[in-house]
Amino acid sequence: SQQGEEDPQALSIQEGENATMNCSYKTSINNLQWYRQNSGRGLVHLILIRSNEREKHSGRLRVTLDTSKKSSSLLITASRAADTASYFCATDRSGGGADGLTFGKGTHLIIQP
Amino acid sequence: EAGVTQSPTHLIKTRGQQATLRCSPISGHTSVYWYQQALGLGLQFLLWYDEGEERNRGNFPPRFSGRQFPNYSSELNVNALELEDSALYLCASSPGRVRNTGELFFGEGSRLTVL
Repeated sequence: SQQGEEDPQALSIQEGENATMNCSYKTSINNLQWYRQNSGRGLVHLILIRSNEREKHSGRLRVTLDTSKKSSSLLITASRAADTASYFCATDRSGGGADGLTFGKGTHLIIQP
Repeated sequence: EAGVTQSPTHLIKTRGQQATLRCSPISGHTSVYWYQQALGLGLQFLLWYDEGEERNRGNFPPRFSGRQFPNYSSELNVNALELEDSALYLCASSPGRVRNTGELFFGEGSRLTVL
């Protein structure tokens, strides 16, 4: 069953604008991760935020985590055409890999040039 | 350093046949995970192997099975193929139970089509 649910399912913006994607989950977690997938290829890890962290930055990426609301958001600033991809949140309940990662269905982001 | 490699890239089978997919983890990684990504269903956790042992499996029937070899590479077998098994099968690796940082490193996937 899906743990994370991304919102929106699809997002289309102009190049240079900021893109925000949200993720909600159901159970307690050790950490939450965001991955990118380009057109049916493998997933690439973007960023990991632990349950005791509230915000994390990596380049043009900003992730927030609200454990009281069981939600996270991914902000991509100054979007580029190359950011066009599907973005997935994934929750890790144990932190040790025992349960694998539980993925949402993803947000398909399209950056219009 | 080589990433996670999967083979074959594409595989076409007919209903009732068996499919075997292969995965080589990043050098030094002992954990291998298998995921199924079917259209419209997102990624579903299939199996986790670590140090040669099956450690956990997702909610899939027994006809989905696999193994991990002494060199930590892994094989996923799907028996008695059904049309709904058509999907992208993704393999991922991590440093292992003790050294796991949580991040998974994915291969490019094997696309299985069942006719």
